[in-house]
Amino acid sequence: DGGITQSPKYLFRKEGQNVTLSCEQNLNHDAMYWYRQDPGQGLRLIYYSQIVNDFQKGDIAEGYSVSREKKESFPLTVTSAQKNPTAFYLCASSISIRDYPTDTQYFGPGTRLTVL
Amino acid sequence: AQSVTQLDSHVSVSEGTPVLLRCNYSSSYSPSLFWYVQHPNKGLQLLLKYTSAATLVKGINGFEAEFKKSETSFHLTKPSAHMSDAAEYFCVVRGYSGAGSYQLTFGKGTKLSVIP
Repeated sequence: DGGITQSPKYLFRKEGQNVTLSCEQNLNHDAMYWYRQDPGQGLRLIYYSQIVNDFQKGDIAEGYSVSREKKESFPLTVTSAQKNPTAFYLCASSISIRDYPTDTQYFGPGTRLTVL
Repeated sequence: AQSVTQLDSHVSVSEGTPVLLRCNYSSSYSPSLFWYVQHPNKGLQLLLKYTSAATLVKGINGFEAEFKKSETSFHLTKPSAHMSDAAEYFCVVRGYSGAGSYQLTFGKGTKLSVIP
């Protein structure tokens, strides 16, 4: 089955610790995205990547970092510099950002991060 | 710049009655528009999308939406609500952001409750 997997589903972190959220896709998509979801806020873009070894900041990148060493993987690190990291994090992928004006994003099941 | 406004944060309907979820957008270019659904603690699933073809778009699970350029609206409807429709719904606009790139903007979501 093709799709996007995120792990873990629930994650707890102590203040001051970095934590990495996993996102893997087997859809052969070029583009991948990380969003943060807070109640009543909709989704906000953290980082996105159009191709391997390339990524750009989204609207709320401060306190986060990413890497894109492989096409199928786009891990997100929430660093201790992120002042309010408790949220639901969603990873998505699409065929491309540029070439398909109507391109659909496919979402993973999400990771709920709680800072204790 | 583009934006999306979902006019109701919460809509409650009785089972078997019509559903109307309202969405207005603004975009400098001809946009693509999407509706996604999210069940609790899950990722987002695409319901339907408008791609500058037919203005009345049919999606999954009996949902449809009509693109009205003059009103800059893309309201989501369903003739008869089912208990399984209870979820949060997001209206999304995808517009050209320059330099060959496209940008997604999410509405803040409408929570649909279905009363037995």
